[in-house]
Amino acid sequence: EPEVTQTPSHQVTQMGQEVILRCVPISNHLYFYWYRQILGQKVEFLVSFYNNEISEKSEIFDDQFSVERPDGSNFTLKIRSTKLEDSAMYFCASSGGRRFSGNTIYFGEGSWLTVV
Amino acid sequence: ELKVEQNPLFLSMQEGKNYTIYCNYSTTSDRLYWYRQDPGKSLESLFVLLSNGAVKQEGRLMASLDTKARLSTLHITAAVHDLSATYFCAGLTQGGSEKLVFGKGTKLTVNP
Repeated sequence: EPEVTQTPSHQVTQMGQEVILRCVPISNHLYFYWYRQILGQKVEFLVSFYNNEISEKSEIFDDQFSVERPDGSNFTLKIRSTKLEDSAMYFCASSGGRRFSGNTIYFGEGSWLTVV
Repeated sequence: ELKVEQNPLFLSMQEGKNYTIYCNYSTTSDRLYWYRQDPGKSLESLFVLLSNGAVKQEGRLMASLDTKARLSTLHITAAVHDLSATYFCAGLTQGGSEKLVFGKGTKLTVNP
């Protein structure tokens, strides 16, 4: 079973610090995503990425956030100047093909971010 | 804007019983997904439903999609304790987007 891997699994950071969450999507997948889940709440879309650029972002994904695919395998989410309300589980996801191919969207194990 | 509502949000059932989780969505969605999440864990893909009338089954779980009613159901047959988890449905927005919109989840507890 292919899998999306994420690091770190848990990070504690002080308010105002920068955090980078890393993801290795499934190889040969074309679409990459970040979602987040605040404890006990539903999963929220942050951003989608295709062909080396952001294809869509939510209202949550403001200037504090950025994504990058620095090489052929990694996909990162950077959060600048973290706030207490950024504390959440951040999920990376990837999918293989076109919209109507019915491809599953696979999620990684998540990175717990705690801002103190 | 696509909105997804699940009910019930909490479900406690006994082993061996059947139950259905409902997922309503507000506008046309290209695909409907069901995921399972164990506490503190990732989202495990259960089903992807593409078209009206689609029905998929895996073990004791069966999912269906009625696009005219904008309703998907996840039916649990003869529940066992191992099925205890939170189940999410999610719709894919239309119009070139690849964004999944999730429901709030149904926390299922199966009691021995």
